Parts: sequence; C-alpha cells; structure tokens
Amino acid sequence: EAGVVQSPRYKIIEKKQPVAFWCNPISGHNTLYWYRQNLGQGPELLIRYENEEAVDDSQLPKDRFSAERLKGVDSTLKIQPAELGDSAVYLCASSPSTGVKSSTEAFFGQGTRLTVV
Amino acid sequence: LAKTTQPISMDSYEGQEVNITCSHNNIATNDYITWYQQFPSQGPRFIIQGYKTKVTNEVASLFIPADRKSSTLSLPRVSLSDTAVYYCLVVTNQAGTALIFGKGTTLSVSS
Repeated sequence: EAGVVQSPRYKIIEKKQPVAFWCNPISGHNTLYWYRQNLGQGPELLIRYENEEAVDDSQLPKDRFSAERLKGVDSTLKIQPAELGDSAVYLCASSPSTGVKSSTEAFFGQGTRLTVV
Repeated sequence: LAKTTQPISMDSYEGQEVNITCSHNNIATNDYITWYQQFPSQGPRFIIQGYKTKVTNEVASLFIPADRKSSTLSLPRVSLSDTAVYYCLVVTNQAGTALIFGKGTTLSVSS
C-alpha cells in the first residue's frame, strides 16, 4: 500500500513568489495534517483536517498561507507571497479516524523542502 | 496538553542498549505516550505507544511507571542505523487529536 505522497520533494523560489505543495494521504484516512519543520526543531502543526473540514488552523499564518482539501482526499498548501523565513520542510501526514491508534499513529510523507532566496 | 521534557541529545556505541527518558508530569487519564523516530530527510515514523507498564514491539520497548509521569524508550543493541531524532509525545485518546512535537532527542550511534 502506498504511503503518504508529497510533491514536489524540493522547491527553490525567490521571495515574494507563490508556491504550492501537494499531498495525497493514505487511502481511507480521514484526518490530514500539515506540519512545518525548521532545521533542528520538531514538526510544528499548521493545520488539521477531518475530511474536508479544517478543524484546527490556529497555527496557520492566514495572511499568506492557505490550504484546501477538496473532496476530503488530496490537499494543497499554498504560500503567497513567500518570505525568507518560510524556508523549511513542509510535512503532510494522515491518520485513520477510528481504531485504537487513530489518535496516536500518523503516517508522514517525506516532505517538501522549501528554500526561499 | 501535557508538556514533555526529554534530553536534547545522547551518544551511544553500536551494540549498546539505549534508554531515553521523557517526563510528562501533567499527563491526563485519557492520554497515551507515543514515540516517533525521524531520520534525516524523512518524515517522523511511529515506533511505539503505551498507556501503562511495559510495551514491547520489534523495534523498541516502552516502560511506564505506575504514576505515568515519565516514560522510558529502550532501544536494545543499537546500530548505526538507529541514529535519528526520537520524539516523545503525549496524545489524548480521541480520534483526530493533533500530534504536538517537541524538539526530540538526537541519538548518535558510533562504531
């Protein structure tokens, strides 16, 4: 079974340009997360979806970040315009919504490494 | 959310047993203790979870004392490939609960 798929793996853009990241979660997983990870730090939650609904976006910088999860499957995270401080790895994860491990076991993609120059 | 505290880094040699302790003084009744492992250039990977006493799987063991205010991840006979960052999380047993990561413990295994 395929895991969480993210694209692109790497992205280099100039500041003030837009950028988008795409995530395809594991089939059947209703919960989807976007995290940002800076060098030497743990992943920081940006937004969490339950199906199509964003149930926790309190840490998403809404002035420049947006996300969507149409039809409750794939998700896209966008930054517009990008700033130098947005350079980081953006991780997508998914988990099932039922079962003993539904709240503790999330499956992560390999991430997208964004460099803003 | 229960805050966790774990060492920033640890060093070990191949073949040794490594124990990483995590403190979580404010853990709640519905909380589980969960550990993730992250290799460079990869996303975190779930390795083990527990509620109390001892849990063992093919990767590690997790020891949780009766008061549940701390836990110890035990990696038997580590190898170079166990070099990674290990995160201790306290997660409420409720579907869709967000996973909150700290800085983790960077384990370096040498030959």
